[in-house]
Amino acid sequence: AQTVTQSQPEMSVQEAETVTLSCTYDTSESDYYLFWYKQPPSRQMILVIRQEAYKQQNATENRFSVNFQKAAKSFSLKISDSQLGDAAMYFCAYRSSEGSGSEKLVFGKGTKLTVNP
Amino acid sequence: GAVVSQHPSWVICKSGTSVKIECRSLDFQATTMFWYRQFPKQSLMLMATSNEGSKATYEQGVEKDKFLINHASLTLSTLTVTSAHPEDSSFYICSASSGGVYEQYFGPGTRLTVT
Repeated sequence: AQTVTQSQPEMSVQEAETVTLSCTYDTSESDYYLFWYKQPPSRQMILVIRQEAYKQQNATENRFSVNFQKAAKSFSLKISDSQLGDAAMYFCAYRSSEGSGSEKLVFGKGTKLTVNP
Repeated sequence: GAVVSQHPSWVICKSGTSVKIECRSLDFQATTMFWYRQFPKQSLMLMATSNEGSKATYEQGVEKDKFLINHASLTLSTLTVTSAHPEDSSFYICSASSGGVYEQYFGPGTRLTVT
């Protein structure tokens, strides 16, 4: 079974600075999808960014970018120019690409990000 | 687009009673819906996956007779917590997928408090 590990329970960053959240995963599959979700205090899950494993190019979405290292099974999230609204729990998630139950998401335990003014 | 709603957002019930939570996809047809449970300061734990018109598939350790899931239409899934006990108090989140390659769309969650 696939597992997702987020080794940083909490992180903090100064407003306007850059922070990187770590995520590693374990899988024997060659094709899959990886996601970062944000859960603010409202608890509404919001998709931040996604990465297809077959793509070598790292995904970017405005101030959010990932460093996808397939061989190392690492998928870190970089937040540039941090804003107060970025404060939230961030969850890394894995999804298989095929097979029964392939739509299931496997979540890491999350990293709580605090943004200091 | 891709909005998922949940109702109610917060429910308080007495121990021994049953409570139903609705999950609706408002602007798309959800072929698959997922139900998660989240305890405070913890991650989401998948409880079950349901496909429209089929029986739900429960994750290991989830009591299917206690957590009844019905996915009667392409826009509605319900989770019924039967004979609720205080330990069932939690935050329940649903998500929906239209069968596309990518993401699930999440509802805002339902806080259940059993007294």
